[in-house]
Formats: sequence, structure tokens, C-alpha cells
Amino acid sequence: AQSVTQPDIHITVSEGASLELRCNYSYGATPYLFWYVQSPGQGLQLLLKYFSGDTLVQGIKGFEAEFKRSQSSFNLRKPSVHWSDAAEYFCAVGAYQGAQKLVFGQGTRLTINP
Amino acid sequence: NAGVTQTPKFRVLKTGQSMTLLCAQDMNHEYMYWYRQDPGMGLRLIHYSVGEGTTAKGEVPDGYNVSRLKKQNFLLGLESAAPSQTSVYFCASSYSSWPYEQYFGPGTRLTVT
Repeated sequence: AQSVTQPDIHITVSEGASLELRCNYSYGATPYLFWYVQSPGQGLQLLLKYFSGDTLVQGIKGFEAEFKRSQSSFNLRKPSVHWSDAAEYFCAVGAYQGAQKLVFGQGTRLTINP
Repeated sequence: NAGVTQTPKFRVLKTGQSMTLLCAQDMNHEYMYWYRQDPGMGLRLIHYSVGEGTTAKGEVPDGYNVSRLKKQNFLLGLESAAPSQTSVYFCASSYSSWPYEQYFGPGTRLTVT
């Protein structure tokens, strides 16, 4: 069965600083990987996804993620964070098992210092 | 195009009471899902549906029932609420051709006292 680990529960960065959120997955086949963002009191919004092809994927709001099969990782990056990026971020791995099932990591809460 | 909507947004129940959460989507998606979100545990799949009239169990189905009488609606029922069901519930939907991302509703915050 697939699983996802986000090692960092809470990260604080200064506005304008770079950001990297870690995600490690476990899955026997080719993974389909997603990053979602959840702003306070809101639902989840898809930031980006990896299905195949180029291992560096671009998403919305200036985010990107790199798939590294050798490290079973799919880390999320942004070169310069904005105060509006404060939110909770979820990594997920998908598999087709009768339906498209997503397994989510525990989430990383991002705080931005002014 | 409203996407995925959920009603109600908030609800407080007493132990043993019942309620139904409604999820509606206007994207003509085949698949629909119910998740619960608890602190430090991410989202866990409760039940899902691959089409009108079908339902299946997810990771944490105990204490919940679902129905999909219409393609656009997916109902989640709690027959006898327990404090352990205090959570935020999210509905999602997706196309049936794999792989496609899931689209999420805004959530329902349920407290069981």
C-alpha cells in the first residue's frame, strides 16, 4: 500500500525567503504525485501534479516540485515566499484501485514572518 | 460553475444524534469521495463512489453510510454520532479517466459533544 510522509509538521520562513517542503512517498509502481494547499478555513486547492515526463513540474502561484525516483521524494519549492503563502500544504500519492484513491501526508503548516 | 459545494458548513451534534452531509458537484464528474481531516493525520478516505448508484468503503468507513442516488450528489450519513467523529469533512470529485486530480469542496466542520 502506498504512503506519504511529510517530515516537517511546521515550518516558519521570512517573507521573501526561499522555501522547500519535503515529501517522501512509498509506492511500488510509478507514482502519481500531487501537492495541495489549504488556506485557513478553506478546502484544498491543487498546486501541481506529476504524472510522467519532465521530473520538474511547475504549478500555480510560483511553486514547483521535483520528482526524484531514487530518493522517493517530491519536494515542493518556491524561490521567494509571500505572506499569502501561509497555509497548510499536503503531499499526496495516487493509485488506481477501483477508483482514483489519494493517500495524503500529514501536512506541513507554513508560517510567514514579516 | 460552482465546482464542489457542501452543506452545512458547520454543525454541532449531541452523542447519538444523526445527520446527513450533502455534497454537490456541477462538473459532471463520475467519481466522488468523502474524506475526514483530523489534526496531524492528513485526510483519510471514508467512502467513495465510481458512479450513480454505486458506493464503496475507503480507509475509515465505520460509523458512516453514503448514498449516490444522483450523479451530482453524494450524501454522507452519521446514524449515531460519537465524539470520535468530531472532524472536518471534505467532499471531492474527479473524472473517471485515470489519472485526474480531485477537486475539493470547502468542508464541513462537525463537532459531536
